[in-house]
Amino acid sequence: GQQVMQIPQYQHVQEGEDFTTYCNSSTTLSNIQWYKQRPGGHPVFLIQLVKSGEVKKQKRLTFQFGEAKKNSSLHITATQTTDVGTYFCAGPHGGSNYKLTFGKGTLLTVNP
Amino acid sequence: DVKVTQSSRYLVKRTGEKVFLECVQDMDHENMFWYRQDPGLGLRLIYFSYDVKMKEKGDIPEGYSVSREKKERFSLILESASTNQTSMYLCASNTGTGVLYEQYFGPGTRLTVT
Repeated sequence: GQQVMQIPQYQHVQEGEDFTTYCNSSTTLSNIQWYKQRPGGHPVFLIQLVKSGEVKKQKRLTFQFGEAKKNSSLHITATQTTDVGTYFCAGPHGGSNYKLTFGKGTLLTVNP
Repeated sequence: DVKVTQSSRYLVKRTGEKVFLECVQDMDHENMFWYRQDPGLGLRLIYFSYDVKMKEKGDIPEGYSVSREKKERFSLILESASTNQTSMYLCASNTGTGVLYEQYFGPGTRLTVT
């Protein structure tokens, strides 16, 4: 079935450094979603990208969808301790946009 | 705000017990999902329901069954719990219409099978 690969698995940064996580699919995705899960919490939706080459920003977070719609990235500028958590990308599962296949996530830790 | 609630945050059961995990959503969503989350494996879909009494197997349905008798409630059943079912179980829901496919998650149930 559909697989979404996410790297790196872990990233430790100093507060103020930038962070990027990458998501890749072997097949073209109709859309991609990003979620954040704080330690001890549950995944919370961040954004959905639909268009080829799309770039969206949320304050210090920049999300990109590749031109071929097979890859995506999340970049955080000047990380803060509040950014700590696991970031997941997710693509459509089995041809349905309403079901998701999740990447394994990138755990971000930030040293103050 | 969309709210997805799960019946227990923590649960400890013995091997062989029948276990029920309950999930309720208050946004009239058509779709509901059960995932399990394990370190290093991410979220894996167990079962999916797109309407009352309708269900589809996900990627790892073995050892699990589900029930959806009412639109707002989706139950996950472990017929005979085993130690390899110790995990975090997350319920989620989303609408079955529109172009925003966002899933809303419950707080999770951490199940330990001894």
